[in-house]
Amino acid sequence: GAGVSQTPSNKVTEKGKYVELRCDPISGHTALYWYRQSLGQGPEFLIYFQGTGAADDSGLPNDRFFAVRPEGSVSTLKIQRTERGDSAVYLCASSPTKIAGELFFGEGSRLTVL
Amino acid sequence: GQSLEQPSEVTAVEGAIVQINCTYQTSGFYGLSWYQQHDGGAPTFLSYNALDGLEETGRFSSFLSRSDSYGYLLLQELQMKDSASYFCAVPLSSGSARQLTFGSGTQLTVLP
Repeated sequence: GAGVSQTPSNKVTEKGKYVELRCDPISGHTALYWYRQSLGQGPEFLIYFQGTGAADDSGLPNDRFFAVRPEGSVSTLKIQRTERGDSAVYLCASSPTKIAGELFFGEGSRLTVL
Repeated sequence: GQSLEQPSEVTAVEGAIVQINCTYQTSGFYGLSWYQQHDGGAPTFLSYNALDGLEETGRFSSFLSRSDSYGYLLLQELQMKDSASYFCAVPLSSGSARQLTFGSGTQLTVLP
């Protein structure tokens, strides 16, 4: 597609459930990022992929969060044993270069944990 | 670590000029970016300053002073569609310059 695509756009789940959020980056972009945005705040960095490998996962809040990008294109963010505090918009971004001055964001997946 | 400060809200009228300031504290500096985000939408890139001075792109301009750890976004000839949140952002201090730390955002309201 022309832009970064994220699915689902909305996800409502119950506390303790497992959730997967998918990101399809712009074709040819080697760098992929996951961010989390709470209401009234700026995006918060979670993890960065260069190709298939996680180059930096220092933003993942704890070991319930995990992300993969097995073929260097589509990425999945996985959240185990969801908690109410995980409720946020999860944004994916991609970039054609290694310099993060310009990122191309998707519209995000809004996660609500009841 | 890094921190960025920007005003939480700014209000202006159509046709006016507005300046959104951003001050930052970083252990290493690799540039200052600005993003626009409409309610429910994706953040979209506006500008990136790596060197001191003013960069102009149409109605939007961005300024950087590295010695003052300060930058601003200038929006001219405001239109209703400019009502949105504006974020300044800097790359993390990891040295890789690949991830961004964002400010909390400035909510701009343009009045008719």
